[in-house]
Amino acid sequence: GQQLNQSPQSMFIQEGEDVSMNCTSSSIFNTWLWYKQDPGEGPVLLIALYKAGELTSNGRLTAQFGITRKDSFLNISASIPSDVGIYFCAGQVGGADGLTFGKGTHLIIQP
Amino acid sequence: GAVVSQHPSRVICKSGTSVKIECRSLDFQATTMFWYRQFPKQSLMLMATSNEGSKATYEQGVEKDKFLINHASLTLSTLTVTSAHPEDSSFYICSAKEGTLNTEAFFGQGTRLTVV
Repeated sequence: GQQLNQSPQSMFIQEGEDVSMNCTSSSIFNTWLWYKQDPGEGPVLLIALYKAGELTSNGRLTAQFGITRKDSFLNISASIPSDVGIYFCAGQVGGADGLTFGKGTHLIIQP
Repeated sequence: GAVVSQHPSRVICKSGTSVKIECRSLDFQATTMFWYRQFPKQSLMLMATSNEGSKATYEQGVEKDKFLINHASLTLSTLTVTSAHPEDSSFYICSAKEGTLNTEAFFGQGTRLTVV
């Protein structure tokens, strides 16, 4: 089946630093999404990307849909303590399909 | 955003028994619902896709007779784990979406199943 390679697996950063994570795939996805999951909760959508090359921002978050449709990145600027959590990328082929998730990036912020 | 509610949030059951998990869309009609499983410190894995009124489509490797999915209405889908074993202990999460084109699928809060 399809696989998403997400990196890094974990990040230890200082508050105020910028963060960057990415996902790559061996096959094409037509939608890329980025989620944040807090412990014991379901994932919450941060950004959805529907078009190759699209660059979208949501506050301090910026994500891009790679032009080849096989990759995406998420940047978080000026990190704050509440950014701590696990971030997942997810790809979707068709609008009615379920999601293929990356393995997650665990973001830890040191005060 | 729209609300998807799962119940129960936690359940402990004895090995060999069955347990039912409910997923409800509270303020929209869910054309499609998805069920995912997440083992500790791992990613979410799609188990099955269900459309209201039709049989669920299961992902490869997921036993349909063990994980029974019913999507009887546009606001409710249930997942029943039959004859549960300790290896079925996991975090089960549903998501629901209205329509098919570029519409967001909203996730429930998840159900922590522990089989003892």
